[in-house]
Amino acid sequence: KQEVTQIPAALSVPEGENLVLNCSFTDSAIYNLQWFRQDPGKGLTSLLLIQSSQREQTSGRLNASLDKSSGRSTLYIAASQPGDSATYLCAAHRDSGGSNYKLTFGKGTLLTVNP
Amino acid sequence: GAGVSQSPRYKVAKRGQDVALRCDPISGHVSLFWYQQALGQGPEFLTYFQNEAQLDKSGLPSDRFFAERPEGSVSTLKIQRTQQEDSAVYLCASTNNRGRTDTQYFGPGTRLTVL
Repeated sequence: KQEVTQIPAALSVPEGENLVLNCSFTDSAIYNLQWFRQDPGKGLTSLLLIQSSQREQTSGRLNASLDKSSGRSTLYIAASQPGDSATYLCAAHRDSGGSNYKLTFGKGTLLTVNP
Repeated sequence: GAGVSQSPRYKVAKRGQDVALRCDPISGHVSLFWYQQALGQGPEFLTYFQNEAQLDKSGLPSDRFFAERPEGSVSTLKIQRTQQEDSAVYLCASTNNRGRTDTQYFGPGTRLTVL
């Protein structure tokens, strides 16, 4: 059974700092890995999706990397802003043929960026 | 529509009551997913529809949970005889991809509180 772990559970940083959020997964047979953002009282917004054949994806100040062999992914946020404050979730699509639509989520990292 | 919508946004039920949660996916999206997110946890898969067919209901926690999508668009998640452990945010997601690994678009969720 796939298990996804995110470290740290919470992170507080001053505005402008670069930061890294970590995600690890136990089953390396993944189809892709996604990073989501969740704001209080709202649903999830997809930030980046990395296919299993890729090593990283970039969008603006965000960069996500994937290392399947070690079962790890990182989300790098450059020049953090107060508006980045949210919970960040990573989720893996299992590469299992018939049921690879299932997303397994971590518990998330609560990020607070202080002005 | 512009995005996935869910109603009601908040629901308070007395233990033992039945509840029905509605999801309106993005127009034309073939695949629809329901997730349960307990406080401080990541979302957990409940069930998956492709058009009107419920292809996977392995995540439904008990036979008190029932989901349907009779016309392949709107979906309803019904919980009978609610229990306190059912308190959670219920998230709906849709994708145009036939159940595979495309980005899932999430609604804002319904927060269910069972007293």
